[in-house]
Amino acid sequence: DAGVIQSPRHEVTEMGQEVTLRCKPISGHNSLFWYRQTMMRGLELLIYFNNNVPIDDSGMPEDRFSAKMPNASFSTLKIQPSEPRDSAVYFCASSSQTLLRDRGSEQYFGPGTRLTVT
Amino acid sequence: GIQVEQSPPDLILQEGANSTLRCNFSDSVNNLQWFHQNPWGQLINLFYIPSGTKQNGRLSATTVATERYSLLYISSSQTTDSGVYFCAVKNTGFQKLVFGTGTRLLVSP
Repeated sequence: DAGVIQSPRHEVTEMGQEVTLRCKPISGHNSLFWYRQTMMRGLELLIYFNNNVPIDDSGMPEDRFSAKMPNASFSTLKIQPSEPRDSAVYFCASSSQTLLRDRGSEQYFGPGTRLTVT
Repeated sequence: GIQVEQSPPDLILQEGANSTLRCNFSDSVNNLQWFHQNPWGQLINLFYIPSGTKQNGRLSATTVATERYSLLYISSSQTTDSGVYFCAVKNTGFQKLVFGTGTRLLVSP
């Protein structure tokens, strides 16, 4: 298994530009999570999907952030327009869990995308 | 929401030493994971351990769910063990994995 795949691994962009981060979850996993890691705030959940449906986006910081999951094998996190304070490492994670039965299951993380907004 | 506290925040060891990292959480959980974030930033799964004890080589972990804590043991530490160790929990009834602030470990040769 290739694990969770993220692209690009590094992104440097200028303030005001649109940024799109991509994620391919582990095959067969039905839940996908986007996290952001900064020195100040640590690891924080932005949004998660179950069976391609957004379940909780309360962690999305602003309307400039949006996420989609058009199918079970692909998700995007878009920032438009980007700002310097968006600089962080963005992780995607996936797991196989049953929402209704409220069972925990192990999450696996991708290598992350290091975003720098100048 | 659930609170997760890790201790110690920083730890410096000589190669070969043993250590114990602790994770306390404030409510019942149905998921607890230990991760190692290596110096390259990758989050490596160490244990999925909502309860009980597991061992994997030099590492072992114990979670006492009724007392709301988990311990990660590192024996015969190596320089490659350096990095940040995170505990993350998922509260019963919720889907979010909540991370602690981590323990930063430096193993010197």
